[in-house]
Amino acid sequence: GAVVSQHPSWVICKSGTSVKIECRSLDFQATTMFWYRQFPKQSLMLMATSNEGSKATYEQGVEKDKFLINHASLTLSTLTVTSAHPEDSSFYICSARDWGDSSYEQYFGPGTRLTVT
Amino acid sequence: AQKVTQAQTEISVVEKEDVTLDCVYETRDTTYYLFWYKQPPSGELVFLIRRNSFDEQNEISGRYSWNFQKSTSSFNFTITASQVVDSAVYFCALSYTGANSKLTFGKGITLSVRP
Repeated sequence: GAVVSQHPSWVICKSGTSVKIECRSLDFQATTMFWYRQFPKQSLMLMATSNEGSKATYEQGVEKDKFLINHASLTLSTLTVTSAHPEDSSFYICSARDWGDSSYEQYFGPGTRLTVT
Repeated sequence: AQKVTQAQTEISVVEKEDVTLDCVYETRDTTYYLFWYKQPPSGELVFLIRRNSFDEQNEISGRYSWNFQKSTSSFNFTITASQVVDSAVYFCALSYTGANSKLTFGKGITLSVRP
């Protein structure tokens, strides 16, 4: 149980275009989902926390207009990187918290590797 | 504010050696959770253990063991008889309780196990 999927697993896009990454909880309902970014040889940095049906809460220094997060259902959250630039190239990881799990554990997706050319 | 320090950045051992990965944390909360994750070259985070702040019992799972000491704010991870497949980046993380509680990650330790 507690499986989180991400799509796509990798994507290459041209500078200036937008790309959408999906995060799905497959076998549980996730009222809260998190988006992380990880640069090579670095740790995971939390970008934002999203709750189903409400606006995401972004961490300091993360551009809200550039990284659009939508959490429209209890099983799906999307991250859209708008007007992507090469410096946005990174590994994006989502995680989801089971609504019924009192341990507050986060279940991680496999990640999406974004390359902007 | 919460903070997780993994002072070791890279460790290299020969197969079958034991290795301990250190984790020191800071938090003002009395109730919190500590985690260890493994990130192999594929990138996917693999959950290893979660420990509640009220449970200071050490845990052993196969070749893995964890030593939690609140007195020193440490949650160290030992791999016994390391194997090449243990080569990965290992992250220690801290979370307070609550629906929107965030995970604070350490910088990670790159473990290389040589045959």
